[in-house]
Amino acid sequence: GNSVTQMEGPVTLSEEAFLTINCTYTATGYPSLFWYVQYPGEGLQLLLKATKADDKGSNKGFEATYRKETTSFHLEKGSVQVSDSAVYFCALSFTGGGNKLTFGTGTQLKVEL
Amino acid sequence: DVKVTQSSRYLVKRTGEKVFLECVQDMDHENMFWYRQDPGLGLRLIYFSYDVKMKEKGDIPEGYSVSREKKERFSLILESASTNQTSMYLCASSPFGTGGSYEQYFGPGTRLTVT
Repeated sequence: GNSVTQMEGPVTLSEEAFLTINCTYTATGYPSLFWYVQYPGEGLQLLLKATKADDKGSNKGFEATYRKETTSFHLEKGSVQVSDSAVYFCALSFTGGGNKLTFGTGTQLKVEL
Repeated sequence: DVKVTQSSRYLVKRTGEKVFLECVQDMDHENMFWYRQDPGLGLRLIYFSYDVKMKEKGDIPEGYSVSREKKERFSLILESASTNQTSMYLCASSPFGTGGSYEQYFGPGTRLTVT
């Protein structure tokens, strides 16, 4: 079956540090890939997505590139802020799958001054 | 602004009680979803619905049922609550489409405690 694997958290960084959160997937075929973010006390919201190989999704300074050869979709940001502290979820879905998402376990990010 | 609302943010119920969690979306979306979120397990799909009165089981449907009588409302029902159903429950909606790339919009979640 389909699955998503994310790096364990929590990840603790100082403000302005570089962020990478690793995400790899196992799937038959070529899914669409997503990063969702959950701020404390809130539901999830879409951060970025990519729908085919070599696509780069970007939003709010975050980027992720769909790498078919390594089945990966790592999230990066060049300079994190305290306000980026949240839980980040990598997810995939398939064409014809009713937009159902398969999520990773989530990675908590804490950014300190 | 798009909105998915859930009837309660926090709920405490006793073992054996029948529990209703309500979700309403105002975006005229065809698809609606119920997930539970547990530490270390991420989000797991319980049920989803792609139309009024239509439903499909997700990955963990045991102990749950759903109802969708109107397009904007999707209810999750715990027929006889058990302590292992203590969790955060998240509702989501998305437009209908087969492309697989549509965004899901989430509600704020209901934290259910079963004692």
